[in-house]
Parts: sequence; structure tokens; C-alpha cells
Amino acid sequence: GAVVSQHPSWVICKSGTSVKIECRSLDFQATTMFWYRQFPKQSLMLMATSNEGSKATYEQGVEKDKFLINHASLTLSTLTVTSAHPEDSSFYICSARYHDRGNSYNEQFFGPGTRLTVL
Amino acid sequence: RKEVEQDPGPFNVPEGATVAFNCTYSNSASQSFFWYRQDCRKEPKLLMSVYSSGNEDGRFTAQLNRASQYISLLIRDSKLSDSATYLCVVNPLTGGGNKLTFGTGTQLKVEL
Repeated sequence: GAVVSQHPSWVICKSGTSVKIECRSLDFQATTMFWYRQFPKQSLMLMATSNEGSKATYEQGVEKDKFLINHASLTLSTLTVTSAHPEDSSFYICSARYHDRGNSYNEQFFGPGTRLTVL
Repeated sequence: RKEVEQDPGPFNVPEGATVAFNCTYSNSASQSFFWYRQDCRKEPKLLMSVYSSGNEDGRFTAQLNRASQYISLLIRDSKLSDSATYLCVVNPLTGGGNKLTFGTGTQLKVEL
């Protein structure tokens, strides 16, 4: 299956700093990448959908100025958590989708996730 | 009402047991359904898609009941390695593109 990498695996930072998380599709070109957040014992919640070369589409309640998404190439999307606070501590997971025009649904391949702890 | 609802469990079963999980979804226009498996502190991984006619993959059987808007997953001859959280996932293709809606998951613990 397709491989998606995510870096860093975990990060601990001080309140007020910014953290960048990278999501890469290693063996395929991802026309769309998704960013999710998962709090303990809760479901994955979609934060935003990122299409290569265009602005990300954010879900309701997700601040676009706080969670900056850049999808500059077909293999890389980045999520920057700006001015992080303790309540931003969570498990951030990206997924990547390869677009096959003959398939109405294209499987999303998930990265291993980034565990962010803000002190 | 949540878009996708699951009993969080945990379900503790002995090795070799048969166990079933159900999941209900609220959007009757949903088009695609999946079961994902998530191990502790790991990313979710696709276990199987769920087709209208029901489908089987080894020890795993998935069924869809559109009229009642529920999905089930049956695991036969459970193994210790089946211990994980099973996520019910729905894709409301109509107007929703390729966005996936995840349930909170049902935790399974298989014991000796």
C-alpha cells in the first residue's frame, strides 16, 4: 500500500511557540491531503482539506489563522500550529489521497501521526 | 445526535470468541462505509470497506443495513492481536467530497 510519513513523531513545546508538522506521500502523488486532530478517547476530527496549489478548506470551528496549511507540492503538506497553547495538545494525523478518475472513492492513506504537547 | 455512533466498550473477550460491533450513522445519503482499526497511539488503518451486499475478509465480516442506517463488524475466532479500537467510518459522498466521518471507536480486548 501507499506510504505516508509524518514528522516529527512527537513534539513538546512551550506555550506561545509555533510548531510545524510535515506530511509526505512517499510513493505516490497526493492531489488531496487531509489534516485531522484526535483528543484522548475521542474520534478523529477533520480540521482541513488541502489541495495542491490552492488554499486549504477548513472545517467549521477551525481557525485558519492559527492552523496554517501549505500544500506546495503533490507530495508535501505542512500544518503549522501558531502560538500554541496547552489546549492545542493533541494527536495530529494527516492523510493523503491519490486521485483516480475511474474511482468515485479513493482510499486515504494515513500518516503515523504527531503527538503535540504544549506546556 | 452524532453523525456516527459506536459503543465505546471496552469489549473483553476470550481468545477464540466471536464478537460483533454495531455502528449507526445519521446521514441517510451516505454512500461509502468502512471499518478502520486503530492501535493505541497509532494512526488508523483501513480494515475493510463495507458493501451493500455484505462482505467477508478472512475472519472479518462486514454488513450494511441502509434501511436502519447501521453497519456491523463480526470477528470470528478472535486473536490476541485483534485487540485494538475499531472505528466505524462513513463517507457522505454527496456534497461531501472525500471527507471521512469517524466514530469514536469501539475498544476490543482479547484475552487468554
